[in-house]
Amino acid sequence: EAGVAQSPRYKIIEKRQSVAFWCNPISGHATLYWYQQILGQGPKLLIQFQNNGVVDDSQLPKDRFSAERLKGVDSTLKIQPAKLEDSAVYLCASSRRGLGLDEQYFGPGTRLTVT
Amino acid sequence: DQQVKQNSPSLSVQEGRISILNCDYTNSMFDYFLWYKKYPAEGPTFLISISSIKDKNEDGRFTVFLNKSAKHLSLHIVPSQPGDSAVYFCAASEGGGSQGNLIFGKGTKLSVKP
Repeated sequence: EAGVAQSPRYKIIEKRQSVAFWCNPISGHATLYWYQQILGQGPKLLIQFQNNGVVDDSQLPKDRFSAERLKGVDSTLKIQPAKLEDSAVYLCASSRRGLGLDEQYFGPGTRLTVT
Repeated sequence: DQQVKQNSPSLSVQEGRISILNCDYTNSMFDYFLWYKKYPAEGPTFLISISSIKDKNEDGRFTVFLNKSAKHLSLHIVPSQPGDSAVYFCAASEGGGSQGNLIFGKGTKLSVKP
């Protein structure tokens, strides 16, 4: 079974530029998550999708961050415009049903550096 | 306001000995707890979990203990191996398993010396 795929693995941009990250979850997984992990911190949930609907986006800075999951499979996370404090690793995860008892499988992450 | 706290940023143990990683939480609504392991440049991988109706769960060399009255859980690794060297994250969720939203601690970096 293929794991969660993310691209790019690394990205360096200047502040005020835009950036997009892509995630392909494990086949058949209904739930997809985007986390932000700042250096020295644990992952923080940004948004959770159940199929192509948003379940929780309470911690997503909606003035600059947006995410979509068209057709309930792949997802993109966009930052526009980026700020210095957005430098972090962005992790995508998926699970079968999105219940607390479901294991979340994480991708390798995209390391974003904003200069 | 950290709901899940891992107060030890790092831990070093000798190969073959026991590693004990600790985690405290403040939200009494949490009812499901997990430990994830993370190697550099990789995403976290699930290690072991425990429901609040239990006080212990064991899987091979890994055992998680839950003390609900103290709002404390710990991960025991016996015996520790050099390959266990990684960052360990404690995570919690609430809602009787109906929510997938995990709250993570900051992690503890474990180093197992040969």
